[in-house]
Amino acid sequence: GAVVSQHPSRVICKSGTSVKIECRSLDFQATTMFWYRQFPKKSLMLMATSNEGSKATYEQGVEKDKFLINHASLTLSTLTVTSAHPEDSSFYICSARDTNANQPQHFGDGTRLSIL
Amino acid sequence: EDQVTQSPEALRLQEGESSSLNCSYTVSGLRGLFWYRQDPGKGPEFLFTLYSAGEEKEKERLKATLTKKESFLHITAPKPEDSATYLCAVPGGTSSGSARQLTFGSGTQLTVLP
Repeated sequence: GAVVSQHPSRVICKSGTSVKIECRSLDFQATTMFWYRQFPKKSLMLMATSNEGSKATYEQGVEKDKFLINHASLTLSTLTVTSAHPEDSSFYICSARDTNANQPQHFGDGTRLSIL
Repeated sequence: EDQVTQSPEALRLQEGESSSLNCSYTVSGLRGLFWYRQDPGKGPEFLFTLYSAGEEKEKERLKATLTKKESFLHITAPKPEDSATYLCAVPGGTSSGSARQLTFGSGTQLTVLP
């Protein structure tokens, strides 16, 4: 079964709305989670690394004020797309890795964000 | 900067027609190579991790192998349900430099026709 839960799976909203996406590790603790963006028929592009209890680390070209990340607990990270515009429409995917085990990263099922 | 290149971009097979997908990598000190399967509208699903040249892993009709420069995902007698995009990735980032993030290849879109 799924070990990383991502919610919601799909969001359709008007331009200017802020949208929050949640990523939860279900049966393990993750001090670090990752947020990716994927365009149609393209691979995953890392946006930022979410660090529990500290600031996220953003990849070059990713606006930290546009994509707010909060990692308040060892099992939850949130990505908020602030004042979303049509160009923010995309497929957003999170991943997490068990901090205490030599395990691969597991991914959520993604969030399809459509801004009208 | 770590680089991962996958080929072909797309592959169409008849059911039962075996083939291989390629993943070439350039990294400074390989700390594992990962294969994932991604279905449309879903997140990647973990398949295999390979750590050293010569290592092989199998799961049903899939077998992953690793050399010092590339990895192959062999698919034997595929079925239509094997249709998906197959992604390979290596740990190690780009600008942020984290060793725990993954750098993905562009994927191979596999279609198996009945």
